[in-house]
Amino acid sequence: DAGITQSPRHKVTETGTPVTLRCHQTENHRYMYWYRQDPGHGLRLIHYSYGVKDTDKGEVSDGYSVSRSKTEDFLLTLESATSSQTSVYFCAISLGFSGGLFDEQFFGPGTRLTVL
Amino acid sequence: GENVEQHPSTLSVQEGDSAVIKCTYSDSASNYFPWYKQELGKRPQLIIDIRSNVGEKKDQRIAVTLNKTAKHFSLHITETQPEDSAVYFCAARNTPGGKLIFGQGTELSVKP
Repeated sequence: DAGITQSPRHKVTETGTPVTLRCHQTENHRYMYWYRQDPGHGLRLIHYSYGVKDTDKGEVSDGYSVSRSKTEDFLLTLESATSSQTSVYFCAISLGFSGGLFDEQFFGPGTRLTVL
Repeated sequence: GENVEQHPSTLSVQEGDSAVIKCTYSDSASNYFPWYKQELGKRPQLIIDIRSNVGEKKDQRIAVTLNKTAKHFSLHITETQPEDSAVYFCAARNTPGGKLIFGQGTELSVKP
């Protein structure tokens, strides 16, 4: 599984509450990504990181923030969850160590988030 | 920015038939095109990829073709089996380490 885990795997929360999802990897890969998956939309990039404290926005970043204070952890935070953020969230890593163009992107097991 | 369109959204075939899924991309600088398979409740998994300097790549029953001039690439699955039933995603990337832009997905159903 390329040493990538996500926690929690399932979460139900209420509108307006903060939520933090964690992605953890054990192999010191430089590049990490957060996607959300919704029916009819495929996988859409929320934020990504190319190193400790280096992050950038993806195509659907509104309402989300990220932090990467250690190589192994990439956190996704919903500051004030809304029902439109109900989704399955996948973390991913690039398996190369230098961010090559052809590096495989490997996905974590996913987190199912429901916002009531 | 890069945009990837994928068709069809659903595809149903009889076991043993071939299946073809097509994607078009907008950024001519894209150089890497992976395909992912996602079974129900599982993570997407890479099944095959192709680089821009290659026109075709095969791996047993699956193959991918790339037409850079037309900016489209396709996944071909021959002799389909029920275990090929899944959602398939195409993607494109144009920068090292950069983001993959995914198509919307194709739900393939292989009927015994």
